[in-house]
Amino acid sequence: KAGVTQTPRYLIKTRGQQVTLSCSPISGHRSVSWYQQTPGQGLQFLFEYFSETQRNKGNFPGRFSGRQFSNSRSEMNVSTLELGDSALYLCASSLASGDGDTEAFFGQGTRLTVV
Amino acid sequence: GQNIDQPTEMTATEGAIVQINCTYQTSGFNGLFWYQQHAGEAPTFLSYNVLDGLEEKGRFSSFLSRSKGYSYLLLKELQMKDSASYLCAVRDLTGANNLFFGTGTRLTVIP
Repeated sequence: KAGVTQTPRYLIKTRGQQVTLSCSPISGHRSVSWYQQTPGQGLQFLFEYFSETQRNKGNFPGRFSGRQFSNSRSEMNVSTLELGDSALYLCASSLASGDGDTEAFFGQGTRLTVV
Repeated sequence: GQNIDQPTEMTATEGAIVQINCTYQTSGFNGLFWYQQHAGEAPTFLSYNVLDGLEEKGRFSSFLSRSKGYSYLLLKELQMKDSASYLCAVRDLTGANNLFFGTGTRLTVIP
């Protein structure tokens, strides 16, 4: 069974540009969450999608957006990139709707560097 | 809001036992998770607690006290491969799969 796949693995962008990251969840998983990981802040929740609907959103500016497709694949977009957006972006997929021991499976992440 | 605290770094000796503590303050609580993350890799699930008490899984155990907002991860018979970051995460009551993570504890196992 394939795991969570994130593409690309590494990305270098210039300030002011925009970027789109992709996440393919484990087959059958309908919940996809996105996190930003930085050395100082740890993992911070960005947003979660379930059945193509955003169910929850973290405390990030509107430059961060996402969507989910009918096949549960998800994309996140960051517009007008800032140096502080440099981070590891992790995607996690889950089987169900956020109860019980619903384990989140993480992808390897996309390492974004803004220069 | 949510506030999750863990020690930043710990060092322990191969073969020993180490306890990593996590305290949390949340507006709602629907479970606490521990994840392991090796450098450059994805976090992997270790344990889940939603009721008070100890959950044991091989060399790893996790404890939860909801009234105290406290959890710990216990690692026994430490091995060099246990050197990693250990992440404590709390799920709230929104019904969604969003987790609120602490900054993680970097554990170094020395010979």
